Formats: sequence, structure tokens, C-alpha cells
Amino acid sequence: AQSVTQLDSQVPVFEEAPVELRCNYSSSVSVYLFWYVQYPNQGLQLLLKYLSGSTLVKGINGFEAEFNKSQTSFHLRKPSVHISDTAEYFCAVTRSGNTPLVFGKGTRLSVIA
Amino acid sequence: GAGVSQSPRYKVAKRGQDVALRCDPISGHVSLFWYQQALGQGPEFLTYFQNEAQLDKSGLPSDRFFAERPEGSVSTLKIQRTQQEDSAVYLCASSPGGTPPGELFFGEGSRLTVL
Repeated sequence: AQSVTQLDSQVPVFEEAPVELRCNYSSSVSVYLFWYVQYPNQGLQLLLKYLSGSTLVKGINGFEAEFNKSQTSFHLRKPSVHISDTAEYFCAVTRSGNTPLVFGKGTRLSVIA
Repeated sequence: GAGVSQSPRYKVAKRGQDVALRCDPISGHVSLFWYQQALGQGPEFLTYFQNEAQLDKSGLPSDRFFAERPEGSVSTLKIQRTQQEDSAVYLCASSPGGTPPGELFFGEGSRLTVL
């Protein structure tokens, strides 16, 4: 079975500063990895996904993540955050399109002006 | 519609009442998932459909929870004799299915409050 650990429940950061949201996963098989964002009172929206190939994945809104198989990590980064990036971020893992995504508990990113 | 639609958006139930939550997935999407999201937590898997077949219901917390997708499109999650611990946001998501997995599209959720 897969599992996901998001090491930080809350991350405050000043506007225009860089940010990294950490995600580690455990699985005995090859996996597919995702980051979703949830704005207040909205559904989850896909930021980016790693399926195969290049380990550096670029997503929407200037976010990127790097798949590191040896460290079983998939950390999310953005070089310069905006106020509008304030939201809850979820890392998720699955082993196929026909098995459910397993989510982490989420990291609340708060961008301070 | 263009996205996944869920109704009602908000539901208040008295303990012991039955509730039904509806999900309209994106047209043509084979896979449909239900998740439960408690306050301050990540989504927890409840059940999964491929077309009309319920392939995995391992996440349903008790036999009070029941889900169906009789024609392979709209799905309903039913909770019988609701309890306070059932209070949560219930998320529905759909995807084209297959491997590698496509994007999972989420609805805005149905927020259930059991008094």
C-alpha cells in the first residue's frame, strides 16, 4: 500500500520569497505522484504530476516539483510566491489510473505581504 | 457541464437522518471516486467506480455508507442513520481512467454537518 507524508502542516512565507513544500511517499511498486491545490471553499485543482521521464516537473502558476526516487520524495517549489498562492497543498500518490489517489494531510501555505 | 458537479453543496442533518449526496462527473469519464475530507485533513478514499461497476469500496467506514452509479454516469453516496462523526466534506472526482493515470477532476464537494 502507498502512503504520503507531508512534513509541514503550515508554512508561512513572505511575498516574493521562495518556498518548498515537502512530500515523502512510501510504496513497494512504481508510483505516479501529484500535487493538488485547494483554495478556500473550492475543489482540488491539479498543480502538476509526475508519470515518467524527466524528474523535474513543471506545473501551473510557476510551481515545479522534483521526483527523487532514492529519497522517495516529491517536494514542491516556487522561486517567488504571491499572495494569491495562499491555499492548502496536497501531495498524492497512486500506482495506476484504476487505483485511488492516496493523499497526504496537506500543507497550508500562508503568504504574508 | 464542463466540470464535476456535486449537490447539495451544504447539508445539515439531524443525527439519525438519512442523506443522499449526488455527483455528476465529466461526460465520458470512466472512473469516479468518492473521498471524505474532515476538517484540517487530506481527502480520505471511500469508494471507486469504473463505469457502473463498484471496483473498490474498502474505504467506506461502515455499512451505513452506500454508493451507486447505476448507469455509469451520475453517482449517489448515501449515508444512513447519520452520526456526528460523519460531518465532513464529501468530494467526488472523475477521470478518463487507464494507465498512466490522467488528471483527477474534483467537484467542489458537499459539506455535511450532523447535529
